[in-house]
Amino acid sequence: GQNIDQPTEMTATEGAIVQINCTYQTSGFNGLFWYQQHAGEAPTFLSYNVLDGLEEKGRFSSFLSRSKGYSYLLLKELQMKDSASYLCAVRDSTGGYNKLIFGAGTRLAVHP
Amino acid sequence: EAQVTQNPRYLITVTGKKLTVTCSQNMNHEYMSWYRQDPGLGLRQIYYSMNVEVTDKGDVPEGYKVSRKEKRNFPLILESPSPNQTSLYFCASTTGGAKSEQFFGPGTRLTVL
Repeated sequence: GQNIDQPTEMTATEGAIVQINCTYQTSGFNGLFWYQQHAGEAPTFLSYNVLDGLEEKGRFSSFLSRSKGYSYLLLKELQMKDSASYLCAVRDSTGGYNKLIFGAGTRLAVHP
Repeated sequence: EAQVTQNPRYLITVTGKKLTVTCSQNMNHEYMSWYRQDPGLGLRQIYYSMNVEVTDKGDVPEGYKVSRKEKRNFPLILESPSPNQTSLYFCASTTGGAKSEQFFGPGTRLTVL
């Protein structure tokens, strides 16, 4: 079956670093995405990993280990505006088409 | 500006009254999807379309219909809405190629009384 797990909530301090973990189980893995979603708004793309390793993009980095079914999103120099939900999504290509399967999201609260 | 638009953004309706939520994209994408988002459950795919006149069920298709008569539009139809379809709905359009990045519309908050 398909399953994606990530923590429900996290809190962190402005200026700090936070790591949001995601574990997944899927038969046709073909890439992992991280999205940011502010309350009441649409998800917006943050990062994409298809090979093992770290992808860095400014204050945000994402890591993937395919053998462990594990990814994390690292947010550095946290700002208040980073308070949002972070969605881990796995692309599954079983059946010959690409389907995105989303985790329930991690709600991050950044406080002063 | 590249975008996905949805209408209406907010809708309160009553059980059994047919409604349509429109979705349009201006990026010439072939692949489009509809999701619903409920607390604690994340985004769940309702229907998707790989191209004009090609649609298929996602994970939670019951009670919904879609059509894809032209590439840019992908309306979601609720023939007889029920209270358990109260949710936040997102339309998404996906780029081609290896990355297949999804662009989401602004969302439609639907309440069925």
